[in-house]
Amino acid sequence: SAVISQKPSRDICQRGTSLTIQCQVDSQVTMMFWYRQQPGQSLTLIATANQGSEATYESGFVIDKFPISRPNLTFSTLTVSNMSPEDSSIYLCSVEPTGNTEAFFGQGTRLTVV
Amino acid sequence: GIQVEQSPPDLILQEGANSTLRCNFSDSVNNLQWFHQNPWGQLINLFYIPSGTKQNGRLSATTVATERYSLLYISSSQTTDSGVYFCAVGGVSNYQLIWGAGTKLIIKP
Repeated sequence: SAVISQKPSRDICQRGTSLTIQCQVDSQVTMMFWYRQQPGQSLTLIATANQGSEATYESGFVIDKFPISRPNLTFSTLTVSNMSPEDSSIYLCSVEPTGNTEAFFGQGTRLTVV
Repeated sequence: GIQVEQSPPDLILQEGANSTLRCNFSDSVNNLQWFHQNPWGQLINLFYIPSGTKQNGRLSATTVATERYSLLYISSSQTTDSGVYFCAVGGVSNYQLIWGAGTKLIIKP
């Protein structure tokens, strides 16, 4: 298993500003995944972050809007840039410690943009 | 890509009742997981079950891979079981999880 500490748990931000979300894992993992969950919806994958390389973004998500860092095998950040009310969502990080098996999630960041 | 359908979309039960949640998927998978999202948004992994049957307390799950469905059983429901239950699958050639729309479960005291 894996324990993921995600910060902040929630935030209310002004439009036009940026928020950086952090995820710390208690073990080394190759891939970390960032998801967005819009209100009342299922999860949508934003990007996959590998240590030492650029993140791989899914269709509809771009690096300028959601820059990701992965400085080592236990830590990653996602920044939501130039926020608008449409960015109000829960953002979640996830890992699969044993590769394509069980996925574990951070506590989530509930973001409200006003 | 793989399609994942969950049913029912909503379920309201009295405490103590039993329930069955279903997940249908459109292609072969080598990864299937059930999650519970609590009202605070946290996702908890319930089962990793690409095939076969597993049980954990009042919860059990069965996946029939050849028929492309999985079932999650909750017995003697408690109010703490409320939340959204998601099924997510991974294809044979793609590590990404594909998520169903979820079943929203409300357990009334």
